[in-house]
Amino acid sequence: SAVISQKPSRDICQRGTSLTIQCQVDSQVTMMFWYRQQPGQSLTLIATANQGSEATYESGFVIDKFPISRPNLTFSTLTVSNMSPEDSSIYLCSASDFDEKLFFGSGTQLSVL
Amino acid sequence: DAKTTQPNSMESNEEEPVHLPCNHSTISGTDYIHWYRQLPSQGPEYVIHGLTSNVNNRMASLAIAEDRKSSTLILHRATLRDAAVYYCILRDLYNQGGKLIFGQGTELSVKP
Repeated sequence: SAVISQKPSRDICQRGTSLTIQCQVDSQVTMMFWYRQQPGQSLTLIATANQGSEATYESGFVIDKFPISRPNLTFSTLTVSNMSPEDSSIYLCSASDFDEKLFFGSGTQLSVL
Repeated sequence: DAKTTQPNSMESNEEEPVHLPCNHSTISGTDYIHWYRQLPSQGPEYVIHGLTSNVNNRMASLAIAEDRKSSTLILHRATLRDAAVYYCILRDLYNQGGKLIFGQGTELSVKP
């Protein structure tokens, strides 16, 4: 099984600033994904982080707002840009190998003032 | 994306079996049926998955209908630690890049 570490675990940010969340997996994985979970809601997929190429974004999410990097098979970052209070949420990283279960990090709780 | 339908909530008594249903009438041939659960203040965790045959592991059993249009997650003896939101999700590795699209899930409460 893969262990996923996310940093930071929580942060409080000012409106208009940006935050970069890091996701480190303890083994090489084929697929990495970023999700958002608003209070009391289910998870919403933001994008698939592709190694060596641009991320694939879901409807309603754009690269300018949520730039994603994935430089290798164990690491990815998600940046939340030009934040507003509506971006307050939990952001989760997940990863899997092909045909295997998905593992999730414990999440980054973001509050925007 | 193929969709699933689950009851919003269910209740169970501790040490009794729990059957969590899921309907997925538009399932395609390449969709695997996955179940995840999310305990309070934690990220989701994998429970079980299957394609056509029933599956068992140390956490649960998965019963899949013959036509694959529905499935049931079975917790054999519910404990208080099983109180969580359970998500039934169809995962297509070949046509959807293996992503998981979460629905609203079933919130399971377990009474002592």
